[in-house]
Amino acid sequence: ETGVTQTPRHLVMGMTNKKSLKCEQHLGHNAMYWYKQSAKKPLELMFVYNFKEQTENNSVPSRFSPECPNSSHLFLHLHTLQPEDSALYLCASSQEALGTDTQYFGPGTRLTVL
Amino acid sequence: KQEVTQIPAALSVPEGENLVLNCSFTDSAIYNLQWFRQDPGKGLTSLLLIQSSQREQTSGRLNASLDKSSGRSTLYIAASQPGDSATYLCAGRESGGGADGLTFGKGTHLIIQP
Repeated sequence: ETGVTQTPRHLVMGMTNKKSLKCEQHLGHNAMYWYKQSAKKPLELMFVYNFKEQTENNSVPSRFSPECPNSSHLFLHLHTLQPEDSALYLCASSQEALGTDTQYFGPGTRLTVL
Repeated sequence: KQEVTQIPAALSVPEGENLVLNCSFTDSAIYNLQWFRQDPGKGLTSLLLIQSSQREQTSGRLNASLDKSSGRSTLYIAASQPGDSATYLCAGRESGGGADGLTFGKGTHLIIQP
């Protein structure tokens, strides 16, 4: 256990559905991240939050909407997704808003879009 | 934009061998480089983090080196065991301040034969 939990672990949704992914970290960190891992592609950074403020949006389509109500929780709201959005979505956190800290990853949510 | 390449893409060796995984990056302006392990269908486990000012880090049978000038890092695994079988990912964190995310390679899929 890394101290980062994600729910649900598996999600199947239709293209017209609206769903949300949840991430919670129990490490007292101030920065949280969403990454996408598609088959045969490197992990891709999606969003970065630092002290609840979004500091990076890596050209992610608007059908993905992040929310960070506090430093311990991070959500990814999904709506009108496409089949190519099927992937493993990983959440991570790190201590400080600097480049020197280890990032700790959750187990991921396996998303399938039908 | 930082690009990270990992060679080989896959490796299968008998138990007990020492082995080296390679990682190269295009932009030497990195804060740190991190090696992760990912088991099938799971999240990432951090193995070693090398700061830009460091040359290497060691943890048990693992040793990671960093040469910023050549844009290379290696992960050395001594006396490999079947439990080492996993995908190994390297990721660089770029300089520039803020809570920037990591840029990942595609990974090396490692199989240790009993």
